[in-house]
Amino acid sequence: SSELTQDPAVSVALGQTVRITCQGDSLRDFYASWYQQKPGQAPVLVTYGENNRPSGIPDRFSGSTSGDTASLTITGAQADDEADYYCNSRASSANHNYVFGTGTKVTVL
Amino acid sequence: EVQLVQSGAEVKKPGDSLKISCQGSGYRFSTNWIGWVRQKPGKGLEWMGIIHPVDSDARYSPSFQGQVTISVDKSVNTAFLQWSSLRASDTGMYYCARRRGCSPDEAFDIWGQGTMLIVTS
Repeated sequence: SSELTQDPAVSVALGQTVRITCQGDSLRDFYASWYQQKPGQAPVLVTYGENNRPSGIPDRFSGSTSGDTASLTITGAQADDEADYYCNSRASSANHNYVFGTGTKVTVL
Repeated sequence: EVQLVQSGAEVKKPGDSLKISCQGSGYRFSTNWIGWVRQKPGKGLEWMGIIHPVDSDARYSPSFQGQVTISVDKSVNTAFLQWSSLRASDTGMYYCARRRGCSPDEAFDIWGQGTMLIVTS
């Protein structure tokens, strides 16, 4: 299966840590990349590969993988981190096809 | 500045044809695959397909194969997404995105601002 499943919503207290998970068979073969999307804006890449961040992304964002589950952790969540988060990975090794996760709404309390 | 700039919003009728664009600048356009993503109102991101600017090698999600055509004109650093006959269900925001790197470090690092498409009779 090429589906990636995420919890629909999570909440975190300001300054605390939250982990968002993404589960799917393709994650056994491919790393996930993670995207933050705020209302009315295009997605922004926050982590990719084993645990890489593009320039300009705060180091409170980190990625990891174990088996068929990828995780995005926000350590010391800020109000500005309230957004939708999507994982993405290749769907299979046979071609350049990809799949997005179902998305997680993060609320910072 | 590295950027992808998409064409403007469209309002079309069912059965109309349409071609929207995504122009890259600030980098060597021919070196990166360009992908297309749909987002229906209030919904999540859906992967549509991807194209390489050098040889126009296009790959499609099974969900979109036969429904859209992805093309590129490398002479003007522009990728395109087109429909031959629009449906109301095509309404949504369409994003293009640049793929950086190769597996295992590939990701979509630059995104266009999006093109809103409304299909209504």
